[in-house]
Amino acid sequence: DQQVKQNSPSLSVQEGRISILNCDYTNSMFDYFLWYKKYPAEGPTFLISISSIKDKNEDGRFTVFLNKSAKHLSLHIVPSQPGDSAVYFCAATINNAGNMLTFGGGTRLMVKP
Amino acid sequence: EPEVTQTPSHQVTQMGQEVILRCVPISNHLYFYWYRQILGQKVEFLVSFYNNEISEKSEIFDDQFSVERPDGSNFTLKIRSTKLEDSAMYFCASSPRPGGKNIQYFGAGTRLSVL
Repeated sequence: DQQVKQNSPSLSVQEGRISILNCDYTNSMFDYFLWYKKYPAEGPTFLISISSIKDKNEDGRFTVFLNKSAKHLSLHIVPSQPGDSAVYFCAATINNAGNMLTFGGGTRLMVKP
Repeated sequence: EPEVTQTPSHQVTQMGQEVILRCVPISNHLYFYWYRQILGQKVEFLVSFYNNEISEKSEIFDDQFSVERPDGSNFTLKIRSTKLEDSAMYFCASSPRPGGKNIQYFGAGTRLSVL
């Protein structure tokens, strides 16, 4: 099942620079997208989300962009901080359809001081 | 800040044994979920539960699995006869309401090791 894909298993960025994490999906029925961050030995922590009726959502240092025609979303972190080092998962769901989240495989972000 | 709590953090069992994984969702949440993550693989949906019944389940959630909300606070996942391939991290999640802007909040997980 490859409905949600994160093609970069890892990303290394210098502190203070921008981190861009990418996610692609194939199911055009998805109408809500979320990013989760996961530290070792912890569960996924909700970060930011976006509805399919929008193309951008911003929350502090985090911005999610959605390109529906390309079935692509990205998470921008500016400026990146060492504490942002974690695994980032994108997830997608179809509202009112059991609400199951379909996850990508994750991208490990390493922010170097 | 309210959180989803899961117990135990690590469960070791013999193949063929029954296990019960426990979760306490966030208190005012109405929708409950179980997911699992086999080592090196994606987080996979197992089941969602709302209004005391299963709302949706994946093909992974076969007859060996069951869920229950035995009281007003706990939400459990039972695996009747564990197999080696059930070894995984199991995450419980809850969300405030069904549908729309479904932000699910996850617990820290239970690592199940089947020997």
